[in-house]
Amino acid sequence: NAGVTQTPKFRVLKTGQSMTLLCAQDMNHEYMYWYRQDPGMGLRLIHYSVGEGTTAKGEVPDGYNVSRLKKQNFLLGLESAAPSQTSVYFCASTESGINEQFFGPGTRLTVL
Amino acid sequence: AQRVTQPEKLLSVFKGAPVELKCNYSYSGSPELFWYVQYSRQRLQLLLRHISRESIKGFTADLNKGETSFHLKKPFAQEEDSAMYYCALRPDSWGKLQFGAGTQVVVTP
Repeated sequence: NAGVTQTPKFRVLKTGQSMTLLCAQDMNHEYMYWYRQDPGMGLRLIHYSVGEGTTAKGEVPDGYNVSRLKKQNFLLGLESAAPSQTSVYFCASTESGINEQFFGPGTRLTVL
Repeated sequence: AQRVTQPEKLLSVFKGAPVELKCNYSYSGSPELFWYVQYSRQRLQLLLRHISRESIKGFTADLNKGETSFHLKKPFAQEEDSAMYYCALRPDSWGKLQFGAGTQVVVTP
């Protein structure tokens, strides 16, 4: 099993460009999460999903959109990237909200 | 709103010395507390959760509701303990984790 995978691993964008980050899990987990990790701030929740077709806002959702069309995939979109979105993005999944979350390897995004 | 505070950004200890990472939280209800660890070039992984009351890799953490603390301790640090440690709080059953800023631990020989 690959567990939680993230694509791409690295990306550099110019301000105003758009992109989509893909998170995939092969553990048949219901719940999936997107976090961003910034120095001195830890990880902050962007959006999450408690099942296929559902999404909800986390702590820092502005500037991001998400979709969960398939149970195994959770997409994070940036419609118009800004330098403030330079960060490392982590995806996580879990069987239910009270179980251990399994994290992906992260995507390092730089917005110039 | 809930908040998790890790006052130390960096903790440098010698091999064999005790290490304690502080974590304080603010939350009006009864949250579940966790410690996550991120070793160099590895993904974030769960180290401890307060309800399990286990000792993992020699680490223990006790939830003190009176002091709203969940400090992580190990009596004898090893070089392989060098990593970034995050304290996290889960306020409900939706799994939304609130992380502290993290403490970088460096264990020198």
